[in-house]
Amino acid sequence: KQEVTQIPAALSVPEGENLVLNCSFTDSAIYNLQWFRQDPGKGLTSLLLIQSSQREQTSGRLNASLDKSSGRSTLYIAASQPGDSATYLCALKTSYDKVIFGPGTSLSVIP
Amino acid sequence: DADVTQTPRNRITKTGKRIMLECSQTKGHDRMYWYRQDPGLGLRLIYYSFDVKDINKGEISDGYSVSRQAQAKFSLSLESAIPNQTALYFCATSDLRGAGDTQYFGPGTRLTVL
Repeated sequence: KQEVTQIPAALSVPEGENLVLNCSFTDSAIYNLQWFRQDPGKGLTSLLLIQSSQREQTSGRLNASLDKSSGRSTLYIAASQPGDSATYLCALKTSYDKVIFGPGTSLSVIP
Repeated sequence: DADVTQTPRNRITKTGKRIMLECSQTKGHDRMYWYRQDPGLGLRLIYYSFDVKDINKGEISDGYSVSRQAQAKFSLSLESAIPNQTALYFCATSDLRGAGDTQYFGPGTRLTVL
């Protein structure tokens, strides 16, 4: 059974710092992996999607990588800003069209 | 205007009542999903639909039913609500032909069952 974990559960960093959020999964048979941010009481906003055949995707200050062999994806945020404070979730789609979310990492960027 | 809308945004109801949550989208996507989010448990898939004639159970479908009335509309029903169905419910859409099946979420419905 596919399981998705995210460590740490919470992270607090000073503004301007570069940071890495981790997502681990147990079964490498995935179709794609997507990173989202969720602001308190709000819906999810898609940040990046990596297809199974890709190794990384970049959007602005964000870079997501995927290593299926080790069961890991990372989300790198450069030069963090207070507006980056949110919960970040990874979600992977299995080859059977099931979507499984991780529990999320709550990020606080301190001005 | 939002691409994925959900109504109502908040609902408080009593045990045993029938509740319907509605989702509409203007993205033209074929695929639609219903999730619930609980603290500490993350998002879990309830039902999904890949087109108007296709309905599939997700991870936690017991106690729920869905209807895909049109490509743009996907509703979730709780036939007899119970307190442990108190949660934040999200609708999402995706399209394989577009951004590789990227999921787009609605703003959520906060449901409280007393």
